[in-house]
Amino acid sequence: DAMVIQNPRYQVTQFGKPVTLSCSQTLNHNVMYWYQQKSSQAPKLLFHYYDKDFNNEADTPDNFQSRRPNTSFCFLDIRSPGLGDAAMYLCATSRDQGGDKNIQYFGAGTRLSVL
Amino acid sequence: AQSVTQPDIHITVSEGASLELRCNYSYGATPYLFWYVQSPGQGLQLLLKYFSGDTLVQGIKGFEAEFKRSQSSFNLRKPSVHWSDAAEYFCAVGADSWGKLQFGAGTQVVVTP
Repeated sequence: DAMVIQNPRYQVTQFGKPVTLSCSQTLNHNVMYWYQQKSSQAPKLLFHYYDKDFNNEADTPDNFQSRRPNTSFCFLDIRSPGLGDAAMYLCATSRDQGGDKNIQYFGAGTRLSVL
Repeated sequence: AQSVTQPDIHITVSEGASLELRCNYSYGATPYLFWYVQSPGQGLQLLLKYFSGDTLVQGIKGFEAEFKRSQSSFNLRKPSVHWSDAAEYFCAVGADSWGKLQFGAGTQVVVTP
């Protein structure tokens, strides 16, 4: 089945140690998103890629970066994780045309712990 | 600016009873409306969506939702809940052409025997 896959499901890192989370998709969607979700809160959009165009949300800290080397893969880099960055990170995809336009499909998430 | 309000943070319902989750939105035009469900430790799964047309939409897992423009609401309903429906439910509104979503704060549903 076509899907959005996030690896790893659980990631533990140390305070200040860079970490990369990955997302892959087999849906061939042109839009990919990264969300941060803290406990009992709604997902918060960090940024998205529209094809190769990167779009940062205004309140996303500089500590968070992203790469999209091709249509299928997208990475979230946290350059110097702080304790406040411990959260679930969700990747999602959508496409801007077709019958399922604007529907976002989510991966299972990566739970990041910062020690 | 668009916004989504889910007035109920937490709802407890008995198995077999009906369930209704409220969602109110604020947006100038007709929005795209969604309900997602999130089981513990999982990503979000789309239950149903409203883009246009029939205001009563059917979704997966026996859920339905009704769009009421006059009330700016998109409430989610299920006639008879199952224990597996215990989860967090998010209402979302989309307005941009590429699908950016504004999520509500979520409603936690607990199902008791």
